[in-house]
Amino acid sequence: ETGVTQTPRHLVMGMTNKKSLKCEQHLGHNAMYWYKQSAKKPLELMFVYSLEERVENNSVPSRFSPECPNSSHLFLHLHTLQPEDSALYLCASSQGPAFTDTQYFGPGTRLTVL
Amino acid sequence: AQKITQTQPGMFVQEKEAVTLDCTYDTSDQSYGLFWYKQPSSGEMIFLIYQGSYDEQNATEGRYSLNFQKARKSANLVISASQLGDSAMYFCAMREPFSGNTPLVFGKGTRLSVIA
Repeated sequence: ETGVTQTPRHLVMGMTNKKSLKCEQHLGHNAMYWYKQSAKKPLELMFVYSLEERVENNSVPSRFSPECPNSSHLFLHLHTLQPEDSALYLCASSQGPAFTDTQYFGPGTRLTVL
Repeated sequence: AQKITQTQPGMFVQEKEAVTLDCTYDTSDQSYGLFWYKQPSSGEMIFLIYQGSYDEQNATEGRYSLNFQKARKSANLVISASQLGDSAMYFCAMREPFSGNTPLVFGKGTRLSVIA
């Protein structure tokens, strides 16, 4: 596989469920990101990992929990979500965290919370 | 204040014609990077083109070119010879230097529809 992959592509879950989104990059990059894209809103950065070190984003609710076990994999653990969390969740990676480094995105996971 | 402004919610263009998608940005930094992405209905965000603030030449990548006017803080995307497959949302984005971990700030996007 090449580029950035995300699984699952679609997910429907109830508010009491626990699920995880997975992202894998095959580009040899050192930085990975989670974004949320809601309808009619600009993309919102959720989390950044650089060399497996997390950069906190204080505005993200604790029901979203990221995990980066190595530089190729990134997870987003979900629990007790709300219907307003329904969105497209995009993972991205870049060579490094520098402002000149292009971010390459995966195809996204479309999440619906019932 | 919005960092990235895309004033055109939707645009139509005839197949084989050129189209310009507008983007203005707001920053007090001298160093920054500007990016354009394409998002088809499938959802994937596809990188198109990059312009660095110190690049003297306008960036070009195949049918995509960037009309970079630094003094006006604008970075418009020009797509030449439009194709039906160009129909998608287009996002302008900016990164500024910020202690090593720099969020990519996106505009609200422009929906381009190419008409046969």
